[in-house]
Amino acid sequence: QVQLVQSGAEVKKPGSSVKVSCQASGGSFTVTWVRQAPGQGLEWMGRIMPFADRTTYAQKFQGRVTITADKSTSTVYMEMSGLRFEDTAVYYCARDSGSGSYFFIDLWGPGTLVTVSS
Amino acid sequence: DIRMTQSPSSLSASVGDRVTITCRASQNIDTFLNWYQQKPGKAPNLLIYGAATLQSAVPSRFSGSGSGTDFTLTISSLQPEDFATYYCQQSFSTLITFGQGTRLAIK
Repeated sequence: QVQLVQSGAEVKKPGSSVKVSCQASGGSFTVTWVRQAPGQGLEWMGRIMPFADRTTYAQKFQGRVTITADKSTSTVYMEMSGLRFEDTAVYYCARDSGSGSYFFIDLWGPGTLVTVSS
Repeated sequence: DIRMTQSPSSLSASVGDRVTITCRASQNIDTFLNWYQQKPGKAPNLLIYGAATLQSAVPSRFSGSGSGTDFTLTISSLQPEDFATYYCQQSFSTLITFGQGTRLAIK
């Protein structure tokens, strides 16, 4: 059974960087990152196709977020630099999947809480 | 980016009620519309994709409809486990976007 295992919670200072990992068991697939600030909605950040070494980012995060993959360990990383208080959120990795011409997110990791605090 | 707007932002209903949530896209997205349910402290769960196709294992009381810019999610008879937050999401663009969510609470 495919699972996504994420790294543990982080507490970071403003201006620092954080790197969250997501290990996928059971195959290679497109991994997407979505974050959710406390009490707020879902915000798509970007995705990586490890088999194609292709990444796509939401414009808001372009230049501040880097998504990489280590194919040897089936692990995807999301690194965010220049952290601000408003980056405090739960960061989810998830599997992009599809049926016919439709694409959707059908498997989610448990989430990693990143807290930005001075 | 394609903007997704849900209404209402919150609503209260009783077990057994029929509930409809709407989602409007800022441009034509054909039927590239997905719906998710999220319970507190948990990751979202896919309910419907392609505007109307029920994901495997999702109860048949959930249904979706619409195309172009206007979409609806209907729960035909609310069950206690349905009280949650619901999000629409467009997959027309590779830069996917979510609606702001609709919180469904018990009346």
